[in-house]
Amino acid sequence: AQSVSQHNHHVILSEAASLELGCNYSYGGTVNLFWYVQYPGQHLQLLLKYFSGDPLVKGIKGFEAEFIKSKFSFNLRKPSVQWSDTAEYFCAAADFIKGRLYFGRGTQLTVWP
Amino acid sequence: DAGVIQSPRHEVTEMGQEVTLRCKPISGHNSLFWYRQTMMRGLELLIYFNNNVPIDDSGMPEDRFSAKMPNASFSTLKIQPSEPRDSAVYFCASRGREYEQYFGPGTRLTVT
Repeated sequence: AQSVSQHNHHVILSEAASLELGCNYSYGGTVNLFWYVQYPGQHLQLLLKYFSGDPLVKGIKGFEAEFIKSKFSFNLRKPSVQWSDTAEYFCAAADFIKGRLYFGRGTQLTVWP
Repeated sequence: DAGVIQSPRHEVTEMGQEVTLRCKPISGHNSLFWYRQTMMRGLELLIYFNNNVPIDDSGMPEDRFSAKMPNASFSTLKIQPSEPRDSAVYFCASRGREYEQYFGPGTRLTVT
């Protein structure tokens, strides 16, 4: 079965700092990958997704992620974070056979103004 | 599109009472998922349906929990009897064509 690892549990940054959150998945075949964001008190919202093509995926709010197949990684990046980016970020990978997503444990991002 | 709709948004009940949570998936989505989120355990998949049929309920914590999907536009998650440890936010999600899931706003359940 697919599994997803997020190694950073809590990241604290100042505004304008650059962000990179790590995500690794286990299954080496065809894979659809996702990043979700959950703002305080809200539900998970899709930030960006990769399913084929250009390994550099651009999402909403200036976020991007790079799919590196050889490293089983799909790291999330943003060149300059804002206070409003404070949220929890979840990486997820699809299991096509089971028809479900496997989520990482999430990374809490705190941005200080 | 209205997105995934859940009701109620908040539920406060006493231990031992029956609780029913409701979900309406996005029209045209054939798969529906129920999740539970707590500080201690994070996001947990409870059960999911494909074409109204339960596929995997291994995440349902115990027999007090049950879920149904009588048609493509409606699902329920029932807890009977409820216990304080069931307090959590319960999310419903439906799946798009590329396996992305769209989450509803959640139901915040408090069992006293």
